[in-house]
Amino acid sequence: GENVEQHPSTLSVQEGDSAVIKCTYSDSASNYFPWYKQELGKRPQLIIDIRSNVGEKKDQRIAVTLNKTAKHFSLHITETQPEDSAVYFCAASRSASKIIFGSGTRLSIRP
Amino acid sequence: DAGVIQSPRHEVTEMGQEVTLRCKPISGHNSLFWYRQTMMRGLELLIYFNNNVPIDDSGMPEDRFSAKMPNASFSTLKIQPSEPRDSAVYFCASRRTGAEAFFGQGTRLTVV
Repeated sequence: GENVEQHPSTLSVQEGDSAVIKCTYSDSASNYFPWYKQELGKRPQLIIDIRSNVGEKKDQRIAVTLNKTAKHFSLHITETQPEDSAVYFCAASRSASKIIFGSGTRLSIRP
Repeated sequence: DAGVIQSPRHEVTEMGQEVTLRCKPISGHNSLFWYRQTMMRGLELLIYFNNNVPIDDSGMPEDRFSAKMPNASFSTLKIQPSEPRDSAVYFCASRRTGAEAFFGQGTRLTVV
């Protein structure tokens, strides 16, 4: 069945440094790739998404890249801040189909 | 819009009891998802509906779990009988086709 692998499971970076989270997906028909941030005790919330007709997308300190050939996509956070500490989930989906999530990455920002 | 609304927020029940979780999706959204979140298994998709019709329930753990969507503005997830291993946070999410999914605040279920 469809599967999304996410690495690493935990990540600790110095404040101000960059963080990178990587995901791979199995369903080659997937065309929508959202990233969610979940703070402790809260619901997951979308921070950025990318569609299969685009290779890269940026929003301030956050960027996502997509390699459809390799079925890889990544989240890049630059100039990390304490409020970036959270669990991040990648996901893959076809338009009218289910959204499959990765296992999550717990990101900690060291002061 | 008030967003996706789930009730109750917290539920504590005894093993063997029936539990019903409720969800009101965002108006105009045509897909609804039920997820279960645990430390060990992350965000598991249990079932999803398109236009009120169940499309894929392969994630439902066993026959004790059932879900319904009688109309576009309401869905339920029922566990009968409940077991301690069902303890988790259950999220409902909704979206328009191909768009961002919005999550409810979740129901924290504890089965003792």
